[in-house]
Formats: sequence, structure tokens, C-alpha cells
Amino acid sequence: EVQLVQSGAEVKKPGDSLKISCKGSGYSFTSYWIGWVRQMPGKGLEWMGIIYPGDSDTRYSPSFQGQVTISADTSISTAYLQWSSLKASDTAMYYCARRSNYLFDYWGQGTLVTVSS
Amino acid sequence: QSALTQPRSVSGSPGQSVTISCTGTSSDIGGYNYVSWYQQHPGKAPKFMIYDVSKRPSGVPDRFSGSKSGNTASLTISGLQAEDEADYYCCSYAGSLWVFGGGTKLTVL
Repeated sequence: EVQLVQSGAEVKKPGDSLKISCKGSGYSFTSYWIGWVRQMPGKGLEWMGIIYPGDSDTRYSPSFQGQVTISADTSISTAYLQWSSLKASDTAMYYCARRSNYLFDYWGQGTLVTVSS
Repeated sequence: QSALTQPRSVSGSPGQSVTISCTGTSSDIGGYNYVSWYQQHPGKAPKFMIYDVSKRPSGVPDRFSGSKSGNTASLTISGLQAEDEADYYCCSYAGSLWVFGGGTKLTVL
């Protein structure tokens, strides 16, 4: 069974760094792209970027380029989304999702990130 | 890359049909046959309902159908049921990246 399990909720202060994770299981982790999607409170889905763990090829939405870093560790089948300096506006639910051809077929349960002073 | 345009809300009575539109540009919807639709219930992760414009994965009722004309894609839900009440998002491939629509809240009256 394909599963994406994300790390738990985080509460951080502005300026803090953060790295959240998404662990894949039940499939060949290196053979599928993993994407990240933001959902701000009460708002819609926003595509942030995507990584191919097989060769670490990474693409970013222009809206998120330079704001976050996407990475992966194939030894533990885990993808990451990280910030070097959080802002209050980064408060959101973050989902990882597996890309299959041109859709996102399996989704993680989401990681809620709260940034507040 | 701007978000695709969806109506903020639609509604229908049980048994009726509703259609949700999703308008983009020739750089996304109009340029590729890779539109997918996602259903999201409150507090839950999205679930894909339609892919490649009109294909339906196993397990999704045939009440859900998708189509595309030019730069606009559509999701039609026929025979509305109470459990269809949710937010729906379109998504299109746009050449090395993806773009979502703003989402549509479906209310079953």
C-alpha cells in the first residue's frame, strides 16, 4: 500500500528555521516525483515545487523560488521542505503528494506549520 | 504563473447535476491535456477524482466526469449526493510546473 507520512505539527517563531518531512512507503521512492502544496488557513491549494528523488532534479513555482528548499534522502525514502527564516505568512498546512504521470495520486496527511511571536 | 480561475461556490439539490469550470491560458489548460480535479473534505487531504482531463480512476463514481474546451476545463457531477459536498480544485500541468485553481465550494442543498 502506497503511503506518504508527514512529520507532525510545528509551532515556530518568526526568523526560525524549519525542515518538515514526508516519508514514502509501499512503492519505489526513487521512481516518482514528490511535490509540495501549501494551503493557507481557509484558502486554496498552491503548488510549491517538486523533486525527483532518483536524481534530485527539483523544480519550483516562481512564487516559492528562493523562499523554500526541497530536498530528498533516498536512503530513508524521505522528502523534505525547509525554510531558513520563517515569516508569519508561512503559517499554513503543507501537503506532500506523489506525482504519477501528470497528476498527484497519493497525498500525505499534511503538516500544520504555525509561525507566531 | 497565475492560479486557474474557478467559481467560488456552486450548489445543487440531491439528484441534480452541477458543473464547475476552470479557466486558464494557452500555457496551461489550453496547451496540455493534463488537467486533474481534486476533492477535499474539511480537515482532510485532497483526493484525485479526474485526471488527464476526463479519465476517472477506479473507485471514483461514474457520476464524476471531466471535459475541456480551449483554455477551460470542466468537472460535472451528476446525481448529486450529500457526500459530494466538499471543495473542488482543478490542476493543470504548465510545462515543468503545475498550477491549481482557487477552489470551488460545492454545497448540496
